[in-house]
Amino acid sequence: NAGVTQTPKFQVLKTGQSMTLQCAQDMNHNSMYWYRQDPGMGLRLIYYSASEGTTDKGEVPNGYNVSRLNKREFSLRLESAAPSQTSVYFCASSEILRGYGYGYTFGSGTRLTVV
Amino acid sequence: TQLLEQSPQFLSIQEGENLTVYCNSSSVFSSLQWYRQEPGEGPVLLVTVVTGGEVKKLKRLTFQFGDARKDSSLHITAAQPGDTGLYLCAGDIGNTGKLIFGQGTTLQVKP
Repeated sequence: NAGVTQTPKFQVLKTGQSMTLQCAQDMNHNSMYWYRQDPGMGLRLIYYSASEGTTDKGEVPNGYNVSRLNKREFSLRLESAAPSQTSVYFCASSEILRGYGYGYTFGSGTRLTVV
Repeated sequence: TQLLEQSPQFLSIQEGENLTVYCNSSSVFSSLQWYRQEPGEGPVLLVTVVTGGEVKKLKRLTFQFGDARKDSSLHITAAQPGDTGLYLCAGDIGNTGKLIFGQGTTLQVKP
C-alpha cells in the first residue's frame, strides 16, 4: 500500500541515550517533514526537507538532527534524549502544486518515552 | 505563539446533531487544510481549500475558507459516532509547503 512508513512504532529510552527514527515514503513526493505532537499543543514542525539534498529547521529543532538519505527516506536523530522529548513523532510527505494546494500524507507515528 | 486558533477544543454531542468547528488566524494563508485523526494513528487529509470564499463538501461535512483567507470552518450535519475523532486545521503562509497546525478539536459523538 502506498504511503508513509515509520519505524519503530514504540520506543522507551533512558535520558542521554540516542536513537534514530526512520521514515520512508513511496509516493515519489519531493517534500518530507518531521512533526511532534503533544497534548494541547497540536503538531509542531521539527525539521523539513523541501527536496532531496536539502533540510531546514522548523519551529522546534533543538535536540534533533535529520538526514534526507534519498528521495524516499528522511530520518530523525535524537543525539542525547531528554524527558522533554517524550512525545509522538510523525513523519509526513507532500507534493506542492503551486496554486492548487496540496496535502500531507502522514505516517502512523512513533510513540517515544524518555525516562 | 499560536498562529491558528481552533474552537471549541472539546465537543461532546448526541448522534444526529449538527456542529461547527472554527479555525481563526490574523495571518493570511495561501492554503488551508483539514485533517481527522483517530487514536493511535496519523492525521488523514479531509480537504484542501485555496481560494477565498471557497466551499467544499464531503458527504455530511462542509468546509468553508474565509473571503480574506484568514479563517475557516468545518460544519458536520447529522453527526454520527463514526465522526468521533480529533479534527485539525492547518495553514500554509506564503506557499512555503510548511504547515502550521491548530491545537485541534476533539469531537465525541454519542449514540
